[in-house]
Order: sequence, then C-alpha cells, then structure tokens
Amino acid sequence: AQTVTQSQPEMSVQEAETVTLSCTYDTSESNYYLFWYKQPPSRQMILVIRQEAYKQQNATENRFSVNFQKAAKSFSLKISDSQLGDTAMYFCAFMKPYGNNRLAFGKGNQVVVIP
Amino acid sequence: ETGVTQSPTHLIKTRGQQVTLRCSSQSGHNTVSWYQQALGQGPQFIFQYYREEENGRGNFPPRFSGLQFPNYSSELNVNALELDDSALYLCASSSYRDRGLNEQFFGPGTRLTVL
Repeated sequence: AQTVTQSQPEMSVQEAETVTLSCTYDTSESNYYLFWYKQPPSRQMILVIRQEAYKQQNATENRFSVNFQKAAKSFSLKISDSQLGDTAMYFCAFMKPYGNNRLAFGKGNQVVVIP
Repeated sequence: ETGVTQSPTHLIKTRGQQVTLRCSSQSGHNTVSWYQQALGQGPQFIFQYYREEENGRGNFPPRFSGLQFPNYSSELNVNALELDDSALYLCASSSYRDRGLNEQFFGPGTRLTVL
C-alpha cells in the first residue's frame, strides 16, 4: 500500500510571502499521479495542483508550483504571494493510474496566512 | 454543471445505532468513492462504487456498506455505530477509466458525531 508522509503540521506565513510544504511518499509503481488538495474551514476538498510521474516538468498553477523529485519520492508545494484565502489544511495525495484510482492522503499541513 | 452534493450536513447518533449518508454525483460522472476523515487526519478510502457494484474497498469492517443507484447517486450505511466512527465523511465522484487519470471531485462532506 502507498504511504504519504507530511511533516510540519502547522505553518504560519505573512501575507505576500512564500511558504513551502513537504511531502514524501512510498511506492513501487513507476507511473502514478500526485496531488495537492486544499481544505478550508468550509471542509470542501479543493484540488490545487496535480503532477503526473512520467512528466519531468514541474506543474504550475498560478501562485502554486511543485518540486517533484521522483528518485527521492518527494513532492513539495510552494505557495507564492500568500493570500488570506490560502489559509487552510493542505493534503498531499497519491493515486495509481489503474484499478479503482483510490486516493491515499497524508495527514495534512495547516497553513495560516497572517495579515 | 451540478457539483457533488451530500446530505445531511451534520448528524448526531448514539453508539449502536445505524446511519445512512447520501451523495449525488457530479453531472456526467458514473463513479462514487467514499472517504472517512477523522479529526486532524487525512481522508481514508472506504470504498468505491461503479456500475452499481463495489469496485474496491479500503481497510474498513463489513458494517460499512454502500449502494449506488442507476442515476449514479450513492449511499453509505454504517451499522452498529462506534464512538470512533465520529468523523467527516466525504464523497467524491469521477468518470471511470481503466487506465489514466480518474480525477475525483469532492462534496462538502457530512459531519457524523457518535455519542
């Protein structure tokens, strides 16, 4: 079974600054998908960014970017120009590209953006 | 396009009771996955339904069961409730693919409290 590990359970960042969240995972698969989800206090799980393992280029979505290191099984998220609306729990998740495509989540990182 | 909806939003039950949670999938989706998110944890995969049949199950006992209906909506049933069943239950819908990305879209969740 895949395991996803997130450390640094809570992080604070000043508005407009940059914060980086770490994620490591364990798998024997060669191809897979990785995701970062955001869960604000409203509880809705929102997809932030995804990465396909066979793509070497790091994914970017506006202020969000990832650093994907396949050999190290590392997948970090960088939030640039932090905004108050970025305050949320952030979950790293792993998915195999076949079968029932279940998501395996880490325990999450709480990010608090301070005005 | 209608998103994933869940009902009820909150409910409180006592130990030993039974509960049914409901999920309506996003328009065009034929697969529903259920996750349990305990307080302070990441979501854990319970099971998935595709074509009205269970299509994979996580490490949950048989008292967790489900249904999928012809309109692709789904129910999660939990019998003999235990205190540890208190959690946020998330439903996610997707379009099934044998291989490739099966992106899941989450509902707002049902908060279950067992007393």
